[in-house]
Amino acid sequence: EDKVVQSPLSLVVHEGDTVTLNCSYEVTNFRSLLWYKQEKKAPTFLFMLTSSGIEKKSGRLSSILDKKELSSILNITATQTGDSAIYLCAVEYGNKLVFGAGTILRVKS
Amino acid sequence: GAGVSQSPSNKVTEKGKDVELRCDPISGHTALYWYRQSLGQGLEFLIYFQGNSAPDKSGLPSDRFSAERTGGSVSTLTIQRTQQEDSAVYLCASSLFPGPMNTEAFFGQGTRLTVV
Repeated sequence: EDKVVQSPLSLVVHEGDTVTLNCSYEVTNFRSLLWYKQEKKAPTFLFMLTSSGIEKKSGRLSSILDKKELSSILNITATQTGDSAIYLCAVEYGNKLVFGAGTILRVKS
Repeated sequence: GAGVSQSPSNKVTEKGKDVELRCDPISGHTALYWYRQSLGQGLEFLIYFQGNSAPDKSGLPSDRFSAERTGGSVSTLTIQRTQQEDSAVYLCASSLFPGPMNTEAFFGQGTRLTVV
C-alpha cells in the first residue's frame, strides 16, 4: 500500500535549537515531494523537491530529497516561537497527492 | 478568484442532518482535492477530481460521503446523516497537476464542521 510516513510525530524544543523533521515514502510513479507548514487552517507551501541531493533553502529552513532512500528531511535552524506549527510532507505520484500525518513542532521561549 | 475559497468557514449541525461544503478552486486549476483533518491530526485524503471526473474516490470513509464537481470548477462535498465522528476541518486544495510541470497545491481556509 502506498504511504507517506513522518517522524517524529511531535517535538518540543527551545528557541535557538535546530530541528530535523523526516519524511519517508513508499509509492509508485513518484513525481515530487512537497513540504507544507500549517499554523491554523490552511497549510502553506514551503518547498517542492523533485531531484535527489539538491537542497532547497528559504531563510532558516532547508530541505533535501534522497530518492535512493525514499526520504526527505526538513531542517529548521535557530528556531523561533513562530516556527511552532504542524509540518506536513506530501508526495505526488500517479494521479494523487498524499499527505503524511505531520510533525507537530512546538518551540518554547 | 485569487485563491481557493471554501464555504461556510464554520458549520454546526445536528446529528443526522445532511451538510454541503463548497470549494471554489483557483481559476484554471484542473485538479481539486478534498481532505479531512481531525483536531491535531494530519490530513486524510478523501477524493480527487481531474476536471469533472473523480478518478480516485478511495478516501471517502463511507457511502454517506459524496462529492461532485461541475463545469470543471466548483466542487461540493456532501455528508448525509452526519455523525459526531464527522466533526473535523474539511480542506480543499487545487493545482494545475498534472500540468506541464510539477506544481504545488493551494489550499482553502477550510470548513470546520461540528456535529452535535
